[in-house]
Amino acid sequence: DAKTTQPPSMDCAEGRAANLPCNHSTISGNEYVYWYRQIHSQGPQYIIHGLKNNETNEMASLIITEDRKSSTLILPHATLRDTAVYYCIVRVPPGNTDKLIFGTGTRLQVFP
Amino acid sequence: NAGVMQNPRHLVRRRGQEARLRCSPMKGHSHVYWYRQLPEEGLKFMVYLQKENIIDESGMPKERFSAEFPKEGPSILRIQQVVRGDSAAYFCASSPRSGANEQFFGPGTRLTVL
Repeated sequence: DAKTTQPPSMDCAEGRAANLPCNHSTISGNEYVYWYRQIHSQGPQYIIHGLKNNETNEMASLIITEDRKSSTLILPHATLRDTAVYYCIVRVPPGNTDKLIFGTGTRLQVFP
Repeated sequence: NAGVMQNPRHLVRRRGQEARLRCSPMKGHSHVYWYRQLPEEGLKFMVYLQKENIIDESGMPKERFSAEFPKEGPSILRIQQVVRGDSAAYFCASSPRSGANEQFFGPGTRLTVL
């Protein structure tokens, strides 16, 4: 699976959009970008995934650049409960091996 | 529909003892994954099981660790002769099938080895 690079930490004011970047310059054509988050001491939680088109769900939006070498997770109106470590994961379509390879992630701190 | 359940939530063992961690997947899920998170580190994949089969154990330490997912009952991660370095949070995840996009994680078991 391709490696990802994320900033170690970010701050965001409550109510503002949180934009979390991820670089995955070695991504292959069939690899997807997944985002999970881990709120303190809890199990990780799936957020969103995409291949090349931008995606949106009730939690977030995922913007993938045209060359697919980077992406941005957007939390449109961050709340204090969004404080967590956010992991960007690149993986081939789940199949014979479904394992997730977590990096170090970005620690997002949302402040009042 | 209850989520993934893990028990115990906290487990304390002395060096040399055995630790058994249990994971009950979500209803209808037949695929289970175990991950370990050492203090101040990211999650590391350990093993992927389907009912009665180990699919991928590439992240399992070669000795003392074993996992099973029997036809009936929860998945078990077993650590024999625990050492202090085994102290970590162990998370279990489940999915309904191979190829599912989302893995649903449990709350974890925090193992402390004295």
